[in-house]
Amino acid sequence: AQTVTQSQPEMSVQEAETVTLSCTYDTSESDYYLFWYKQPPSRQMILVIRQEAYKQQNATENRFSVNFQKAAKSFSLKISDSQLGDAAMYFCAYRSPSNYGGSQGNLIFGKGTKLSVKP
Amino acid sequence: DVKVTQSSRYLVKRTGEKVFLECVQDMDHENMFWYRQDPGLGLRLIYFSYDVKMKEKGDIPEGYSVSREKKERFSLILESASTNQTSMYLCASSFSPAGTRNTEAFFGQGTRLTVV
Repeated sequence: AQTVTQSQPEMSVQEAETVTLSCTYDTSESDYYLFWYKQPPSRQMILVIRQEAYKQQNATENRFSVNFQKAAKSFSLKISDSQLGDAAMYFCAYRSPSNYGGSQGNLIFGKGTKLSVKP
Repeated sequence: DVKVTQSSRYLVKRTGEKVFLECVQDMDHENMFWYRQDPGLGLRLIYFSYDVKMKEKGDIPEGYSVSREKKERFSLILESASTNQTSMYLCASSFSPAGTRNTEAFFGQGTRLTVV
């Protein structure tokens, strides 16, 4: 079974600085999808960024980028120019390809990293 | 805009009550999910459904059941609520991944359930 590990329960960053959140996963599949979700105090889970395993190029969305190391099964999130609004829980998630093990797109989540942003 | 709506943000129920948590999506998604979120444990899948009237158990189905009579609605049922079911419940939906790629899940705003 696939697992997702986020080894940093809490992180802190100064406003305007850069922070990297770690995520590792375990899988025997060669094709899969990885996501970072953000959950602010409002509780609404928001997609931050996605990565397809078949793509070598790291995904980027404005100030958010990932470092995807397929061989190492690592998927870290870098937040540049951190803003107060970035303070939230961040979850790394893995999704299998279709119909694997009877699952239909189920997301497997890590336990989350709580990010604080200091003004 | 994509929307997943959960019927309540906060709910307080008594031990032994039958509890219904409702979730509606307006995106014509095939898949719908119920997760439970607890501090330090992340999100754990309770049940998911990939079509009307179809359901599959997730990682922690004990004490829960689900119903999906219409494509847009997925209900989570606590047959006899217990205090250890006090938690945050998140509903999500997505397109079926079959034949498509990159189908992330969209989430509701969560229901914080307290069982007393």
